[in-house]
Amino acid sequence: NAGVTQTPKFQVLKTGQSMTLQCAQDMNHEYMSWYRQDPGMGLRLIHYSVGAGITDQGEVPNGYNVSRSTTEDFPLRLLSAAPSQTSVYFCASSPALAKNIQYFGAGTRLSVL
Amino acid sequence: GEDVEQSLFLSVREGDSSVINCTYTDSSSTYLYWYKQEPGAGLQLLTYIFSNMDMKQDQRLTVLLNKKDKHLSLRIADTQTGDSAIYFCAESYNQAGTALIFGKGTTLSVSS
Repeated sequence: NAGVTQTPKFQVLKTGQSMTLQCAQDMNHEYMSWYRQDPGMGLRLIHYSVGAGITDQGEVPNGYNVSRSTTEDFPLRLLSAAPSQTSVYFCASSPALAKNIQYFGAGTRLSVL
Repeated sequence: GEDVEQSLFLSVREGDSSVINCTYTDSSSTYLYWYKQEPGAGLQLLTYIFSNMDMKQDQRLTVLLNKKDKHLSLRIADTQTGDSAIYFCAESYNQAGTALIFGKGTTLSVSS
């Protein structure tokens, strides 16, 4: 089992560029989430999904879009990157029978210049 | 809004016990969690406690929950150098326990 796979591991963008951070899980988990981690901070929830076709906003959703067309994938889109979005992004998933047990990916380190 | 506070650093000697403390604000949290993050890695769930419990023990880990004071602690017995990492306390703010608020993390340094 690969678990939760995030790509790319590293990315550098210029201000105003768009990109999609990919997250895929092969555990058939219903719940998936995106967090960002800034230096000296805990993780903050950006968006989450309780199943295919259903998404909701977390603590810091502005500047990010998500969709959940399949159970496996939960991409995070930055439509117009800003330096304030420089961060490490983590994706997590959890199964319906143990929703609170979240498995995290290894993270994507994003720098916006 | 919800907030989770932790001390930033803890330094212990190998073989001693470590106690990491956390306070939280949302009394309706269903679950409280402890995560471990090693350098360059994602978060690993260490343990969690349901809000109607006072204590949970799992091998070297003991979690204590004081709901009245909104205080959570993680005790690591016989701390090893491999326990050196950042430990995050988190509370859930939805019923399912899937939407989490994290503290800033406590860096545990274990010296031999």
